Amino acid sequence: DQQVKQNSPSLSVQEGRISILNCDYTNSMFDYFLWYKKYPAEGPTFLISISSIKDKNEDGRFTVFLNKSAKHLSLHIVPSQPGDSAVYFCAASLNTGNQFYFGTGTSLTVIP
Amino acid sequence: SQTIHQWPATLVQPVGSPLSLECTVEGTSNPNLYWYRQAAGRGLQLLFYSVGIGQISSEVPQNLSASRPQDRQFILSSKKLLLSDSGFYLCAWSGGAGFNQPQHFGDGTRLSIL
Repeated sequence: DQQVKQNSPSLSVQEGRISILNCDYTNSMFDYFLWYKKYPAEGPTFLISISSIKDKNEDGRFTVFLNKSAKHLSLHIVPSQPGDSAVYFCAASLNTGNQFYFGTGTSLTVIP
Repeated sequence: SQTIHQWPATLVQPVGSPLSLECTVEGTSNPNLYWYRQAAGRGLQLLFYSVGIGQISSEVPQNLSASRPQDRQFILSSKKLLLSDSGFYLCAWSGGAGFNQPQHFGDGTRLSIL
């Protein structure tokens, strides 16, 4: 059973505009959430994270929002750049800290 | 700084042959270690994780096995590969002490079964 879901397999955005990637989860015990970026034939690279005590975390062009009541997570990229084109995975972990649950990924294409 | 090495980068094996993929981590001690598989068009499926030497937890039944002979070494094995074992295999580590730490991934191994 997929506990972390990314319902949009792909997204296309014009360069300079905002990219919004969404993620939903089912387990209310998740307390740490992450976004990863993955290029073809490479391992995922950690991008940004947020703990459940916050509702927003910002790092440069990347902002992650957490809505615990809706069990929803989103990643905003502003402004989007062609180099941002990649597959983005969201992930969540329980407070035991040992296991991570990944979504199926969203392929972002930023059009120059 | 911490680094993770995974090899080989690509591997082509016949059905029924054995498998050994190796992963090592440098620059940290007592990490949590993980093996994932990414099948074509799918997300990351956790296969095994380990919180210490000789401690292996399996997430899905399969013909694969994992071992952790040393603190920073994680090995994925199979005695007889199946066609369905094809995929992109990723090793990852996270800090063993404390929570809310991200995982860091190796560059992966592309395994093709013929």
